[in-house]
Amino acid sequence: QVHLQQAGPGLLKPLETLSLTCSVSGGSFSGHYWTWIRQPPGMGLQWMGNVLPGGTSKYNASLTTRLTISADTSKRLISLRLTGVTAADTGVYFCARGNGWMDYWGQGILVTVSS
Amino acid sequence: ELTQSPGTLSLSPGERVTLSCRASQSVTSGQVAWYQQKPGQAPRLLIYDIFKRDTGIPDRFSGSGSGTDFSLTISRLEPEDFAVFYCQQYGISPPTFGQGAKVEIK
Repeated sequence: QVHLQQAGPGLLKPLETLSLTCSVSGGSFSGHYWTWIRQPPGMGLQWMGNVLPGGTSKYNASLTTRLTISADTSKRLISLRLTGVTAADTGVYFCARGNGWMDYWGQGILVTVSS
Repeated sequence: ELTQSPGTLSLSPGERVTLSCRASQSVTSGQVAWYQQKPGQAPRLLIYDIFKRDTGIPDRFSGSGSGTDFSLTISRLEPEDFAVFYCQQYGISPPTFGQGAKVEIK
């Protein structure tokens, strides 16, 4: 059974860097794309970007200057790094498996950006 | 851009519901998925490639459509089905989601 466990801070100050991790257990790690999606409070879903372990990362054009998504195959870990956060980056962040549709999701982490 | 309608539906268990998702441009190769999200939970994949049910999804859920118009139908609402539903297209980069449609208990 595939399980995605997310970890990271819940509160950041403006202009700090957000770092989240997603630990994958079960199933194949290297054979899948891994994606980050976020959801502002009370709103819909935004695709942020994804990574293929050992391959390339793709980013939403609106985030490409601030976002880095990486994969550590030895640790089965997906990481997200978002620099220069603002209040607009507040929301629940999810990791998920897939390049098109996404079939397994992490539990989500609420990230709040506030001074 | 994906536009879902209606925004909110108030229905009773046992009723049939069809949710609409309209794309601003044709979605390549029918790359459309549907998700269900309950409060405080991650989205759950229901349908991918327009009509294919994910593993374990009951057959009361069905997807259809082509081009720019897609729909999700729940043939007979069960109490556990009440939630927000999102469509997603992954044929045009970046993948995008509709704004969501809430199905609430009447």
